[in-house]
Order: sequence, then structure tokens, then C-alpha cells
Amino acid sequence: DIQMTQSPSAVSASVGDRVTITCRASQGIKSLLVWYQQKPGEAPKLLIYGASSLQSGVPSRFSGSGSGTDFTLTITSLQPEDFATYYCQQADSFPLTFGQGTRLEIK
Amino acid sequence: QLQLQMSGPGLVKPSETLSLTCTVSGGSFSSNSYLWAWIRQPPGKGLEWVGSVSYSGNTNSSPSLKSRVAMSVDTSKNQFSLRLTSVTAADTAVYYCAPYSTSIGWFDPWGQGTLVTVSS
Repeated sequence: DIQMTQSPSAVSASVGDRVTITCRASQGIKSLLVWYQQKPGEAPKLLIYGASSLQSGVPSRFSGSGSGTDFTLTITSLQPEDFATYYCQQADSFPLTFGQGTRLEIK
Repeated sequence: QLQLQMSGPGLVKPSETLSLTCTVSGGSFSSNSYLWAWIRQPPGKGLEWVGSVSYSGNTNSSPSLKSRVAMSVDTSKNQFSLRLTSVTAADTAVYYCAPYSTSIGWFDPWGQGTLVTVSS
């Protein structure tokens, strides 16, 4: 199984800040990496696929990068609605696996 | 635009079988573009892929759950179903259904989620 490790587990930031979340795969997954945002009581929402492609309707302040084993999700100019938990997911092979999540909190 | 509606009991007794159904509308259920997937999330914890089933009935499931998981499809009703046997409190979670794009590798959109509690 491919293990996905996110860091940090939680981060505090203020509106307007820039935040970067890292996701590391235990083996190379090319660019087969997806990012989701989840707010309390809601289902996850697709943000980025193929490591760096922005899903339609997602604000351009979200961006993704990386390939192989190391990936990042960057949010520039944080907005109040961005405070949520973020998950990465590898799509390289079964079993499909998720990172443990990064909780983005308001400072 | 695909839409998914989940149904099934929210309370299951220990050692019994959890059964959930997901009804798909707004798109092609019988398509090789998707696998129909189940994902779960224990309260306060992260996401875990449970398994996926193709419209033709081919299944793939998490190694940790494989011995207890059964999935099926009903193409006449655009539905797919999950059965998880011999449940324990550790199976208490919000269960989601979602299409998995075989070409892009994403889960989107997700069903509304159903909290299933295992308790006597």
C-alpha cells in the first residue's frame, strides 16, 4: 500500500496569509495526486487533481504542485471560507489511500 | 451533473451487517469512466477508502476490510450497494458514496454521507 503523509497536521493562520500544506507519498505516484477540502458536517470537495490542475469553480488562490513523492497545496491570501481540513489522495494504485488531513485554523 | 443519494439504517448492532445503497442520477451509470466507490470517516478522524465496484460488478476493496466487504450494482435502478459484515464499534463512521474517475483519479461528487453507528 502507498502511505500518504501530510504535514503539518494542523496550522493556524490569519485572513490574508499564505499557507502551504505538504503531502508525501511512500513511493512514486507520478502526478496522480488529488486534494480535497472538507468543512465540518460536509462531504469533501474536490480542489485539485493531477497534482496541479484546478477543478472548475475553485478559486485561483488555490494551487498545487509536485510529482513523484512530494506535493504541495498552497493557498494564497486566505479567506474566511478557507478554514477547513485538507486531504490529499493518491490515484496511482489500489488500495486508494488518503493523507491523514491538515486542519487549517484561524489564528 | 452526477448526483448521489444514500440510503440505509443509521444504527447497526454489533456482529450484524451494515447495508447501504447509493442511487445515482444525472449521468451515465453504466460507463467505464467510473468506478462506484465507498469511503468512510470515523468521527473526528480521516478518510478511508472502503472499496469500489464497476457497473459490470467487478470489485476492489481495502485489504483491511476485504474479508467483510461485499459490493454490488443494480444497473436497472442506477444503484450500487455496500454490505459490511460482522461490524464492531470500530466500524462506526460517516459513510460516503462517490464516483471514482478511472481516467483522472478523483472522487467527485460525493454523496451526502450517512452516519452509521454500531451499538447495541
